[in-house]
Amino acid sequence: AQTVTQSQPEMSVQEAETVTLSCTYDTSENNYYLFWYKQPPSRQMILVIRQEAYKQQNATENRFSVNFQKAAKSFSLKISDSQLGDTAMYFCAFEDSGGGADGLTFGKGTHLIIQP
Amino acid sequence: NAGVTQTPKFRILKIGQSMTLQCTQDMNHNYMYWYRQDPGMGLKLIYYSVGAGITDKGEVPNGYNVSRSTTEDFPLRLELAAPSQTSVYFCASTLGGNAAYEQYFGPGTRLTVT
Repeated sequence: AQTVTQSQPEMSVQEAETVTLSCTYDTSENNYYLFWYKQPPSRQMILVIRQEAYKQQNATENRFSVNFQKAAKSFSLKISDSQLGDTAMYFCAFEDSGGGADGLTFGKGTHLIIQP
Repeated sequence: NAGVTQTPKFRILKIGQSMTLQCTQDMNHNYMYWYRQDPGMGLKLIYYSVGAGITDKGEVPNGYNVSRSTTEDFPLRLELAAPSQTSVYFCASTLGGNAAYEQYFGPGTRLTVT
């Protein structure tokens, strides 16, 4: 079974600053996907970015980028030029690429607060 | 497309009551999931379905039942509600059995059992 650990329950930064959220995971699988989801107060789960384990290049989506270290089983999310609308819970998640039927395994989340 | 819809948005149950949480998707997705999110925690998989007529247990299935009679609908049944089932419930769907396909989530149902 996979486990996902997010060691930062809450983080707070000033608007326009850069912030990095940490995530580590444990798996015996070699092929898998990693995800960062955003959950604003509306509760809606929004996919922010994803990384395929067999791709060495770190994924980037506009202001969001990841630092994927497969050997260390680490998958951090960097948010550049943070905005007030980035305030939300952020969840790191894992999925075995062998079959989507297993669903996603989530960490406990990091509450990110962007201060004006 | 409405995407994934869930009803109701909120519900309060008394201990021992039962209810069905409804989930519908209009994207013709084969795979559907039910997750629960307890306070301060990430989502945990309750049940999933890989197609009409096929369901299987996830990580935390006790106290729940599901059915999948159509591609579109995946209701979650709570029998004999208990306070431990107080949670937010999310339904999700995806096109295929491969993690390359994005999971689309519904807006969630907040359930309180007192």
